[in-house]
Amino acid sequence: SQQGEEDPQALSIQEGENATMNCSYKTSINNLQWYRQNSGRGLVHLILIRSNEREKHSGRLRVTLDTSKKSSSLLITASRAADTASYFCATTLTTDSWGKLQFGAGTQVVVTP
Amino acid sequence: KAGVTQTPRYLIKTRGQQVTLSCSPISGHRSVSWYQQTPGQGLQFLFEYFSETQRNKGNFPGRFSGRQFSNSRSEMNVSTLELGDSALYLCASATASSSGNTIYFGEGSWLTVV
Repeated sequence: SQQGEEDPQALSIQEGENATMNCSYKTSINNLQWYRQNSGRGLVHLILIRSNEREKHSGRLRVTLDTSKKSSSLLITASRAADTASYFCATTLTTDSWGKLQFGAGTQVVVTP
Repeated sequence: KAGVTQTPRYLIKTRGQQVTLSCSPISGHRSVSWYQQTPGQGLQFLFEYFSETQRNKGNFPGRFSGRQFSNSRSEMNVSTLELGDSALYLCASATASSSGNTIYFGEGSWLTVV
């Protein structure tokens, strides 16, 4: 079963706009990671945020984590056509080994030029 | 530094056959995990190996098995293939880090069972 839910399931925006997607999870985590997947390809790691962190930035990406609400958000600023992909959040639970991830269902993002 | 390498990238098998997929982790990474991705079930954890020992196992039947070698390379095997085993199989590797254990994925092996 999926650990988390992602919202929205699909997102369509114009180039230059910001894209925000959310992820909720159910149990205590050690960290949360966001990945991007282009159609038919592997997962590309975007950013990791630990449970004691509230916000992290990497280039045009901003991730927040609210452990009290068991939720995270990924913001992509000034989106580009190349950002078209599926985005997944994945958690490492406190009750699991650190090499195991539980994934959400993903958000499909389409950026139109 | 080379990334996670998976072979083969694509394969087609017949129901009832078995298949072995291979994964070479990033150099120095001792944790290797496997995931199955299907349109219906999404990304599901299969198992994780660390230093040649299975450290965690997902909820898959015993037809799915794996192993890790002393050089951290890993293989997974699926026996008596079923049509529903058609999926993208992803391997990931990680190393322990005080800044959080980033997990890196390979490009995957596309398995089609006919």
